[in-house]
Amino acid sequence: GAVVSQHPSRVICKSGTSVKIECRSLDFQATTMFWYRQFPKQSLMLMATSNEGSKATYEQGVEKDKFLINHASLTLSTLTVTSAHPEDSSFYICSARASILNTEAFFGQGTRLTVV
Amino acid sequence: GEDVEQSLFLSVREGDSSVINCTYTDSSSTYLYWYKQEPGAGLQLLTYIFSNMDMKQDQRLTVLLNKKDKHLSLRIADTQTGDSAIYFCAEIHSSASKIIFGSGTRLSIRP
Repeated sequence: GAVVSQHPSRVICKSGTSVKIECRSLDFQATTMFWYRQFPKQSLMLMATSNEGSKATYEQGVEKDKFLINHASLTLSTLTVTSAHPEDSSFYICSARASILNTEAFFGQGTRLTVV
Repeated sequence: GEDVEQSLFLSVREGDSSVINCTYTDSSSTYLYWYKQEPGAGLQLLTYIFSNMDMKQDQRLTVLLNKKDKHLSLRIADTQTGDSAIYFCAEIHSSASKIIFGSGTRLSIRP
């Protein structure tokens, strides 16, 4: 299957700083990328959907100014957690699809964010 | 609304079959998926089924879909220790814009 690379896999940051997480599709062009958040022992919660070249669509309750998403190219999307707080500590996973007609969504390995 | 539900835990004996169940509410779902998540890792797509199919088999995996009851199941034959993981059922939204996940079922294998 196609490969989605997410970086970094783990990051620890201080409260008040910003953290950027990258999601890259390595061998296909991803017209759509999804960002999920997973709390311990819980399911994945969709945060936002981004289409290349356009603004991300955020799910209800997700602060767009807090979680900045950029999908500037067909192979790269970034999620920036701004002014991070301990409650932002979580597992963040990105997913990419080649096109709206494509049935498969390929996932990155996730990023464990710890805010201290 | 969109809702996908699964039981949280399943324990089976090594060598037995595991059956993980899932129910969903969106009758216009077009594709339904099963993903596997090992500890600290991302998600691995195991298999998917079109909504106009009743069954799909892929080696040790069998997916059954009852569209009338909006019920999906994943059967793992000859369950091995390497099958220990969390299994997520997911559906693609009717607008094809997003994937909705169930809560995940933690499968544990006992000797």
